[in-house]
Amino acid sequence: EDKVVQSPLSLVVHEGDTVTLNCSYEVTNFRSLLWYKQEKKAPTFLFMLTSSGIEKKSGRLSSILDKKELFSILNITATQTGDSAIYLCAVAAFFNAGNNRKLIWGLGTSLAVNP
Amino acid sequence: GAVVSQHPSRVICKSGTSVKIECRSLDFQATTMFWYRQFPKQSLMLMATSNEGSKATYEQGVEKDKFLINHASLTLSTLTVTSAHPEDSSFYICSAAGLTQETQYFGPGTRLLVL
Repeated sequence: EDKVVQSPLSLVVHEGDTVTLNCSYEVTNFRSLLWYKQEKKAPTFLFMLTSSGIEKKSGRLSSILDKKELFSILNITATQTGDSAIYLCAVAAFFNAGNNRKLIWGLGTSLAVNP
Repeated sequence: GAVVSQHPSRVICKSGTSVKIECRSLDFQATTMFWYRQFPKQSLMLMATSNEGSKATYEQGVEKDKFLINHASLTLSTLTVTSAHPEDSSFYICSAAGLTQETQYFGPGTRLLVL
């Protein structure tokens, strides 16, 4: 059965700290791995990773994928209170012969950044 | 990123009534739209995948006759919760993907409360 596991489930840090969020997966027909940030409403897209070893960066956030070891990490440096959210990892996989994809979701990591 | 809207954002209805939720992709053609529901402190649960002009593919355990999905155009999909019951109360989120389906863009979600 396909699964995506995120760790830790919950994290509390102080402003300025650096955090690393983990996502491991066991998914057949892997296509890509995506990171989303969810605050009070629906998730907002952060990164899509398809190739191993290539870091994607956006401001203080960065992410990398290891397709051999089947995991990805999301790093946030110099955290701010506005980074408080649930960070969701999802793996896109083919699910039928028609080239359609679906996302298999992790449970998320709840990050709280205290001032 | 692409913009997806949902309407309404919040709805309260009586048990036994039907509720329609609209999902629109505002600035791109959404070949595929996905409908999710999310219970408090849980991850997203995929309900169904719909391709424009064809019948939706429902996930196991999701009743087709209860959750009617219509994807009549490349910019609009609707989810109708028929004969809603209190246990249908949840956060319903749609997402849309373009032709390559590499990334899903989420609407802001609809919070449904059935009394």
